[in-house]
Amino acid sequence: DAKTTQPTSMDCAEGRAANLPCNHSTISGNEYVYWYRQIHSQGPQYIIHGLKNNETNEMASLIITEDRKSSTLILPHATLRDTAVYYCIVSRGGSQGNLIFGKGTKLSVKP
Amino acid sequence: NAGVTQTPKFRILKIGQSMTLQCAQDMNHNYMYWYRQDPGMGLKLIYYSVGAGITDKGEVPNGYNVSRSTTEDFPLRLELAAPSQTSVYFCASRSSDRDYTFGSGTRLTVV
Repeated sequence: DAKTTQPTSMDCAEGRAANLPCNHSTISGNEYVYWYRQIHSQGPQYIIHGLKNNETNEMASLIITEDRKSSTLILPHATLRDTAVYYCIVSRGGSQGNLIFGKGTKLSVKP
Repeated sequence: NAGVTQTPKFRILKIGQSMTLQCAQDMNHNYMYWYRQDPGMGLKLIYYSVGAGITDKGEVPNGYNVSRSTTEDFPLRLELAAPSQTSVYFCASRSSDRDYTFGSGTRLTVV
């Protein structure tokens, strides 16, 4: 599975968009980009995933560059409850889709 | 629908003792996983299972054993507890084309 690189930490003002970058320059053609988050000491929570096209759901948007070597998770209107560690993971999905977690980005949303 | 249930939530073990961490899911998911998370780090995969009777090693399997006799249950066994196994343990499950659902974790301290 391809490795990912994320900033260690980021701050965001409440109500503003949070843009979390991720580099995955060695991603293979059959690998997806997944985003999970972990609030405090809880189990990780699925946010969104994509292969090539940009994706949006009720939680976030995922923008993947055309060469697929990087992506950005966007939380459109960050709230204090979005303070968490965000993990960008590259995985083949399906029966081969084990998630390998890095250290993630600690996002702090401030009032 | 309880999702993924882990027991116990907390446990203190003495060096050399053994114990079993329980994990049960009621979503009829084929795939189940055990991760450990050390302070300030991402999750590391210990063992996983793609169905009843089938298990395989992850990144850090040494010191652990698993079994999968039913679809619902995936217990993790520590035979000779060591201080290095002090960690938070997360169980997760998924179906072949869906995202992961994580349990709330078991916090284990070995003294």
